[in-house]
Amino acid sequence: DIQMTQSPSSLSASVGDRVTITCRAGQTVGIYLNWYQQKPGKAPNLLIYAASSLQSGVPSRFSGSGSGTDFTLTISSLQPEDFASYYCQQSYTNPYSFGQGTKLEIK
Amino acid sequence: QVTLKESGPALVKPTQTLTLTCNFSGFSLTTSGMRVSWIRQPPGKALEWLARIDWDDAKIYSTSLETRLTISKDISKNQVVLTMANMDPVDTATYFCARFYGGHPQLDYWGQGILVTVSA
Repeated sequence: DIQMTQSPSSLSASVGDRVTITCRAGQTVGIYLNWYQQKPGKAPNLLIYAASSLQSGVPSRFSGSGSGTDFTLTISSLQPEDFASYYCQQSYTNPYSFGQGTKLEIK
Repeated sequence: QVTLKESGPALVKPTQTLTLTCNFSGFSLTTSGMRVSWIRQPPGKALEWLARIDWDDAKIYSTSLETRLTISKDISKNQVVLTMANMDPVDTATYFCARFYGGHPQLDYWGQGILVTVSA
């Protein structure tokens, strides 16, 4: 199984800040890497697929980069609605494992 | 538009078999490349991918749970069914179904989830 490790596990930031979340895969996953946002009590919402492609309807302040084993999700200027949990997921091979999540909180 | 919705029991007893149904609309599971997956999330914990069924009836299971899981589809009803045998309290979680689609597949549409509690 491919282990996905996110850092940090939690993060405090202010509105307007630039934030970066990192995801590392235990072995190469190419660009088979997706990012999701989840708010309390809700289903996850796809933000980024194939490492860097922005899902339709997602604000352009979200961006993704990386390939192989190291990936990043960047929010260029935090908005109040961005305070949530974020998960990476590899879709390279079964099981399509998720990272442990990063909780983004208001400072 | 694409929608998915999970249904099933909110409470099951230990050792029982859980049966969950995902009713979907807005896409067809006969379309090449289309897949539906199940994912779960214990309270306060991370997401865990469980199983996948494809347009061609291929089935893939989590390696750690494959002996307990069965996934199936009913095209005529636009349903995907997941069964999980021998339920345990550690299986208490919100269970989601989601469409899994694309050349670099992603879970692009999700159901709202259903909380299943395992307790005697």
